[in-house]
Amino acid sequence: GAVVSQHPSWVICKSGTSVKIECRSLDFQATTMFWYRQFPKQSLMLMATSNEGSKATYEQGVEKDKFLINHASLTLSTLTVTSAHPEDSSFYICSARDQKGVYEQYFGPGTRLTVT
Amino acid sequence: DAKTTQPTSMDCAEGRAANLPCNHSTISGNEYVYWYRQIHSQGPQYIIHGLKNNETNEMASLIITEDRKSSTLILPHATLRDTAVYYCIVRVAHNFGNEKLTFGTGTRLTIIP
Repeated sequence: GAVVSQHPSWVICKSGTSVKIECRSLDFQATTMFWYRQFPKQSLMLMATSNEGSKATYEQGVEKDKFLINHASLTLSTLTVTSAHPEDSSFYICSARDQKGVYEQYFGPGTRLTVT
Repeated sequence: DAKTTQPTSMDCAEGRAANLPCNHSTISGNEYVYWYRQIHSQGPQYIIHGLKNNETNEMASLIITEDRKSSTLILPHATLRDTAVYYCIVRVAHNFGNEKLTFGTGTRLTIIP
């Protein structure tokens, strides 16, 4: 149980285009999902907290207009990187907390974004 | 959330117990100790967590000192698949208004054949 999937697992896009990454909780409902970014040889950095049915809360320094987050259902959150640039190339990872009160966060496998 | 200090890297022979230390001297009374690991190019995986008692599950054991200022994650019989970066995180559990996990640099554990 407690499986989180991400799609796509990797994506290459051209500079200036937008990319959407999906995060799904497959066997549980998640009122809260989190989006992290990880650059090579660095640790995970939280970008935003996504709550179902409400606006996401962004961490300091993360542009909300560039990284659009939508959490429309209890099993799906999406991150859209708008007008992507090469410096946005990174490993994007989502996590989800089980609605039933189990407070471990379960992480997706990550999405490798390369902007050319 | 309290900060943690971990060694940058460790090696362990395959089949032996891997003991990963973590210092969290500023931990508060309501903060738990969590351990996650991240295998290369994958998302982090939850391992174990505890408050003040030692904990054991199918993956590992967690030993927390009586003063709670440090802890040790034990992988009893390390295998090559245990090679990963291990993160020790302290945070308040059941704090639904602030559940974010703050990842430090972790310990890169390499299991040697």
